[in-house]
Amino acid sequence: DGGITQSPKYLFRKEGQNVTLSCEQNLNHDAMYWYRQDPGQGLRLIYYSQIVNDFQKGDIAEGYSVSREKKESFPLTVTSAQKNPTAFYLCASSQGADYGYTFGSGTRLTVV
Amino acid sequence: QKEVEQNSGPLSVPEGAIASLNCTYSDRGSQSFFWYRQYSGKSPELIMFIYSNGDKEDGRFTAQLNKASQYVSLLIRDSQPSDSATYLCAVNESGTYKYIFGTGTRLKVLA
Repeated sequence: DGGITQSPKYLFRKEGQNVTLSCEQNLNHDAMYWYRQDPGQGLRLIYYSQIVNDFQKGDIAEGYSVSREKKESFPLTVTSAQKNPTAFYLCASSQGADYGYTFGSGTRLTVV
Repeated sequence: QKEVEQNSGPLSVPEGAIASLNCTYSDRGSQSFFWYRQYSGKSPELIMFIYSNGDKEDGRFTAQLNKASQYVSLLIRDSQPSDSATYLCAVNESGTYKYIFGTGTRLKVLA
């Protein structure tokens, strides 16, 4: 079955650590996205990529980095510069502007 | 700053009733509109999309779009307890591949 796989499901980060969240899709979608969701709040865009080897900052990119070396993969690194990283992270992909998103199952990141 | 606004709720309706969820948006150039359902602790799933003014029906769900008023709504007929979730409205940001999400409306269907 086609879909988006995010891993791990739960991730614990110590102060000062960088951590990487994985996102892989086999839907052959060109566009991929990373969102952050905090309790009781909407989705905020971190980064997005429309094609391989190209990506753009979203509304809250500070403290995060991404790469898009393959069409299928769009990993997100949460760096030590992100001071409040505890949140639910969602990866999504899309065929285009008119098709909506397919979301992965999410990664819940907690700072310990 | 382009925005999508939703009443956070909770909206409580009895089982079998019609639930009406509303969303307004600020980007006049937006062309595509989506409703997602998100159960607690889970990721959003797409339930409806609409591009043209008017109504679009799919089973118990009806999406309504009025571009002149910049208003999108979702009606859920014969509401079931399993419909209890947060419903997110998303609007395509004109000229981009991005979507702007509302903060969601929490729906509670009472058995």
